[in-house]
Amino acid sequence: GNSVTQMEGPVTLSEEAFLTINCTYTATGYPSLFWYVQYPGEGLQLLLKATKADDKGSNKGFEATYRKETTSFHLEKGSVQVSDSAVYFCALSDRGGSYIPTFGRGTSLIVHP
Amino acid sequence: DTGVSQDPRHKITKRGQNVTFRCDPISEHNRLYWYRQTLGQGPEFLTYFQNEAQLEKSRLLSDRFSAERPKGSFSTLEIQRTEQGDSAMYLCASSSTEQETQYFGPGTRLLVL
Repeated sequence: GNSVTQMEGPVTLSEEAFLTINCTYTATGYPSLFWYVQYPGEGLQLLLKATKADDKGSNKGFEATYRKETTSFHLEKGSVQVSDSAVYFCALSDRGGSYIPTFGRGTSLIVHP
Repeated sequence: DTGVSQDPRHKITKRGQNVTFRCDPISEHNRLYWYRQTLGQGPEFLTYFQNEAQLEKSRLLSDRFSAERPKGSFSTLEIQRTEQGDSAMYLCASSSTEQETQYFGPGTRLLVL
């Protein structure tokens, strides 16, 4: 079956530091890959996505590249802000019609001023 | 467009009571999904509707859980005879048939005492 593995958190960084959150996946076929962000007390918001190998998704300074050869979709940002503190979820979705995503456990990011 | 809304945002109940949650999707979206999220975990799929038809149910959805979407617009999720293990955040999401991207509501946090 499908599965998503994320690095454990919390990840604690100082403002303007470089961020990497690792995500690897196992899937049959060719899934779409997503990063969602959940701010305290809120629901999940789509941050970025990629639908095929070598695609790069980007939004709000975050980037992730769909690497089929390493089955990875690592999230990166060059300079984090305090406002980026949240929980980040990597997910995959089989394009089999129902688009039901499989989520990782989430990685908490804490950014200090 | 106000996004996906859920009501109530918080619910505290005693073990054995019944609870019902409501989700109002984005108006033009014909797909609606329910998830359960426990602390430190990603969302787990429960069930989804396309219009008023319930097309898929997870094995997580025990006999005590029932979901409806009678007119293909809002949906309700009822839990009968609640147990302490039902304590979680219940998330709703919606999408259109052609899209993989799901839009999440803020969730209903349930605490069963």
